[in-house]
Amino acid sequence: EADIYQTPRYLVIGTGKKITLECSQTMGHDKMYWYQQDPGMELHLIHYSYGVNSTEKGDLSSESTVSRIRTEHFPLTLESARPSHTSQYLCASSVSYEQYFGPGTRLTVT
Amino acid sequence: DQQVKQNSPSLSVQEGRISILNCDYTNSMFDYFLWYKKYPAEGPTFLISISSIKDKNEDGRFTVFLNKSAKHLSLHIVPSQPGDSAVYFCAATSNTGKLIFGQGTTLQVKP
Repeated sequence: EADIYQTPRYLVIGTGKKITLECSQTMGHDKMYWYQQDPGMELHLIHYSYGVNSTEKGDLSSESTVSRIRTEHFPLTLESARPSHTSQYLCASSVSYEQYFGPGTRLTVT
Repeated sequence: DQQVKQNSPSLSVQEGRISILNCDYTNSMFDYFLWYKKYPAEGPTFLISISSIKDKNEDGRFTVFLNKSAKHLSLHIVPSQPGDSAVYFCAATSNTGKLIFGQGTTLQVKP
């Protein structure tokens, strides 16, 4: 089972602030993903990476950006938070089909 | 266009009985299917998966059935336990490796 960590777990922040959501995994997985999920809805892929220096946008358009400088680290950044960014953000990693998720960050933008 | 659908938002069963969660898909290119369980304020946990070359996969109390002709899969939990109460997501993927998720079904198992 993968060990994957996300910080912070909860974040309440004002409009216009810059935020970075952290995601780290210790399994050496090449593939990493960011999803956005609202209550009662499916998980939407917003970014993914198949290795260091490789990042792609997912199926759901997002104003966030990501970087992959190290295999174990896949941070997500919002340059200017807005109330529409309020959601749960889930990070995952995989080596094959099964993806293993972190505990998520619940972001609230006021 | 939603490629993976879970048409039942919620399901309530009695402890000890069988829970059956359903999932339909539209993309015939999907060749691998997964079920995840999610508690509030936590990330999804992988439960069980099935390849398109199989029609059944069993792991303890959990069995997944795949009907390719109907583009339908189901997750059976037997016997159901109160700790199984959670949101269950089905997901599908093709050779892209990206998972497409359904909207989830909230299962409540009553003692």
